[in-house]
Amino acid sequence: ETGVTQSPTHLIKTRGQQVTLRCSSQSGHNTVSWYQQALGQGPQFIFQYYREEENGRGNFPPRFSGLQFPNYSSELNVNALELDDSALYLCASSWGQGRTEAFFGQGTRLTVV
Amino acid sequence: DQQVKQNSPSLSVQEGRISILNCDYTNSMFDYFLWYKKYPAEGPTFLISISSIKDKNEDGRFTVFLNKSAKHLSLHIVPSQPGDSAVYFCAALSGYGKLTFGQGTILTVHP
Repeated sequence: ETGVTQSPTHLIKTRGQQVTLRCSSQSGHNTVSWYQQALGQGPQFIFQYYREEENGRGNFPPRFSGLQFPNYSSELNVNALELDDSALYLCASSWGQGRTEAFFGQGTRLTVV
Repeated sequence: DQQVKQNSPSLSVQEGRISILNCDYTNSMFDYFLWYKKYPAEGPTFLISISSIKDKNEDGRFTVFLNKSAKHLSLHIVPSQPGDSAVYFCAALSGYGKLTFGQGTILTVHP
């Protein structure tokens, strides 16, 4: 059973650019959530995808968007990068919704300069 | 609007002693809580959870206590081990699976 994997692990982008982060969910999981963790803070919920549909969204602007594919892997896209987007981006997968344990990937460290 | 708060940024304990990590929440609609542990360069790892219909849940060295009237929960680790040194996050689970996290507490267990 493979765990949640994210790529790349580190990334440096320039302000104004666009970035795509990728996540392969754990085998058998059909729900993926994305979180942003700024330095010294807890993870903040960005959005969740369930069976390829966005199922919930946190307080993030529309330039944060995502996709979930038929194999339940997922992408997080961020357009018009700002310096404050520098953070650790975490992907979590789970089976179904509600009270089910979410398994996290190791994260992608994004630095915007 | 910080709905889940961990007011102690750090905690230092001696190996073998008890570690107590605290968490407060403001949203009375929260009814399921989890604790995660995070090492540097790794994602958070699930430790233990508790439903609001319980006031205590135990798993080995880890026990979580929930006081609904005070909107407070705590994680007890007994005995603490150096390998427990990590960042601990308290989180509340919303209906469809959204986790609302606290800011985290850095636990250091000294040999």
